[in-house]
Amino acid sequence: SQQGEEDPQALSIQEGENATMNCSYKTSINNLQWYRQNSGRGLVHLILIRSNEREKHSGRLRVTLDTSKKSSSLLITASRAADTASYFCATGVPGAAGNKLTFGGGTRVLVKP
Amino acid sequence: DAGVIQSPRHEVTEMGQEVTLRCKPISGHDYLFWYRQTMMRGLELLIYFNNNVPIDDSGMPEDRFSAKMPNASFSTLKIQPSEPRDSAVYFCASSFDGNSNQPQHFGDGTRLSIL
Repeated sequence: SQQGEEDPQALSIQEGENATMNCSYKTSINNLQWYRQNSGRGLVHLILIRSNEREKHSGRLRVTLDTSKKSSSLLITASRAADTASYFCATGVPGAAGNKLTFGGGTRVLVKP
Repeated sequence: DAGVIQSPRHEVTEMGQEVTLRCKPISGHDYLFWYRQTMMRGLELLIYFNNNVPIDDSGMPEDRFSAKMPNASFSTLKIQPSEPRDSAVYFCASSFDGNSNQPQHFGDGTRLSIL
């Protein structure tokens, strides 16, 4: 079973609106990372939040982490058509050998111009 | 700097044929990962290497799959014999250091279709 599960599975918004997606996981983590995947391309790392952090910002991205609820959210503010992509959360687990990550199923985001 | 390079980008072949996917990681990265992505199962980790040594191959689906990393700048994933259910997009990724607080850098994948 997947460690991270994103919600919703799909999201459609108008350009300029904010997009919020959530990720829930099951076990303790070292960190949680968010990735973007454009159609036909590989995943691109967006942001990493460590288990002792609660919030992190990068440009128009805001990530929160609640370890008590085992959940994270990714907020994209003032969305653009270019933000249309699938977004994945991935968790790094304590004790896992090396830099092993477990990815969720992703949220497909469509930003309509 | 060049990112992770995968070849070929697309491969179409008939079942029973041998398929070899190739990956060149980012120079200086000492971890290399092979993933498979399908609509049904999402992104699955197949195997990963540290300093050219396989660390965890528990995700390799069966003996038809094998992976090698003969040197720090090259890895292959081989399927022999291939089956239609192997059709998927295969990604290679690399990362720096064993610290799990490092991002992984992905190639653009090989889209494999087994007829």
